[in-house]
Amino acid sequence: QKEVEQNSGPLSVPEGAIASLNCTYSDRGSQSFFWYRQYSGKSPELIMFIYSNGDKEDGRFTAQLNKASQYVSLLIRDSQPSDSATYLCAVNTNSGSARQLTFGSGTQLTVLP
Amino acid sequence: DTGVSQNPRHKITKRGQNVTFRCDPISEHNRLYWYRQTLGQGPEFLTYFQNEAQLEKSRLLSDRFSAERPKGSFSTLEIQRTEQGDSAMYLCASIRTGSTDTQYFGPGTRLTVL
Repeated sequence: QKEVEQNSGPLSVPEGAIASLNCTYSDRGSQSFFWYRQYSGKSPELIMFIYSNGDKEDGRFTAQLNKASQYVSLLIRDSQPSDSATYLCAVNTNSGSARQLTFGSGTQLTVLP
Repeated sequence: DTGVSQNPRHKITKRGQNVTFRCDPISEHNRLYWYRQTLGQGPEFLTYFQNEAQLEKSRLLSDRFSAERPKGSFSTLEIQRTEQGDSAMYLCASIRTGSTDTQYFGPGTRLTVL
């Protein structure tokens, strides 16, 4: 079982709709959760991070965390064609002292004009 | 632009050759990470440095891979005797210890082994 799982997609939504991206993780000791956006051929770009259960909003983006269910999601409101990208969920694991990020495989999002 | 730079941005090499990549982190960031990303997958952790000390290496990092961070500033990742399976995007990220643990990625070096 992969440590961080995401639906690979592709996920298509019409412009202006809400896109919902989901992620589950296996390490109950995980404490920090990140969403990165990655355009084709580019490196990951941080969108949001969340540490506490509940919702965290930043502009059109809302991250939701439920540690009991080991679930984190990202909602994108008023989706735009420029939001079309792969969205990577990352979890900060406490392996050794590294606290490296463990990534899911990403969900490819297409926003249709 | 996150402030993390990587060079070269692209590298094409023949199987069996050695290659070296460089990462310059954000200046006040004392932790530096290397990741590898293949098509359709998320980045995978390779190794990390706290200042000049290499503190952890993934089992993905075979003996052909070596990384250094002299003086705790820039870092290099060398791959010896490259294989076609080494073709990937190599990503560097940095972070300041005690911050929010948010890692900022450089633009990456795309390696193609022919």
